[in-house]
Amino acid sequence: QVQLVQSGAEVKKPGASVKVSCKASGYTFKSYDINWVRQATGQGLEWMGWMNPNSGNTGYLQKFQGRVTMTRNTSTSTAYMELTSLRSEDTAIYYCARGDPPIAFDSWGQGTLVTVSS
Amino acid sequence: SYELTQPLSVSVALGQTARITCGGDNIGSKNVHWYQQKPGQAPILVIYRDSNRPSGIPERFSGSNSGNTASLTISRAQAGDEAAYYCQVWASSIWVFGGGTKLTVL
Repeated sequence: QVQLVQSGAEVKKPGASVKVSCKASGYTFKSYDINWVRQATGQGLEWMGWMNPNSGNTGYLQKFQGRVTMTRNTSTSTAYMELTSLRSEDTAIYYCARGDPPIAFDSWGQGTLVTVSS
Repeated sequence: SYELTQPLSVSVALGQTARITCGGDNIGSKNVHWYQQKPGQAPILVIYRDSNRPSGIPERFSGSNSGNTASLTISRAQAGDEAAYYCQVWASSIWVFGGGTKLTVL
């Protein structure tokens, strides 16, 4: 079955960077975009951007341009999301999700809690 | 940028029908997807492309989309349906989520 397994929780200081991984299994990794979505405590879902594992092409929400980088390692079927210049407002659960537009996100990772605190 | 508007909360009596709306400019021309999220869990897809159910989702879940409003309908509501529900569309090359609706089953 399709599975997306994410890396564990992270605690970072303001100004630092974090890199979250998302390992895919149960399907052909290159065949579907990987998206990243975050959710602050008690808040809604916020889409951050997408990455095409086949080409490496990416698209980011303007809000995150310059601070986020989405990459992949096709040999291990793993996607990565790196967010730099962290601030307290970046404290959230970060999810990866499979889906090509306009098709829905049919599989999600379990989420990775990133806490930004001094 | 495109915006989706959902009610903050909806309540439904056990066994009755709940309807959650998602408003957007000419949303009827877009594919709308719906997700269910229970506390402490990742979202799961319950309706895709307006009215289609993924395998494993009960027939009690249905969707519609026309004009400026899309809707998720949950028939014969159960206690296990209590969750947050989010609508989603692809608009102007970005994914947009509604703010989410908390469904309470009384």
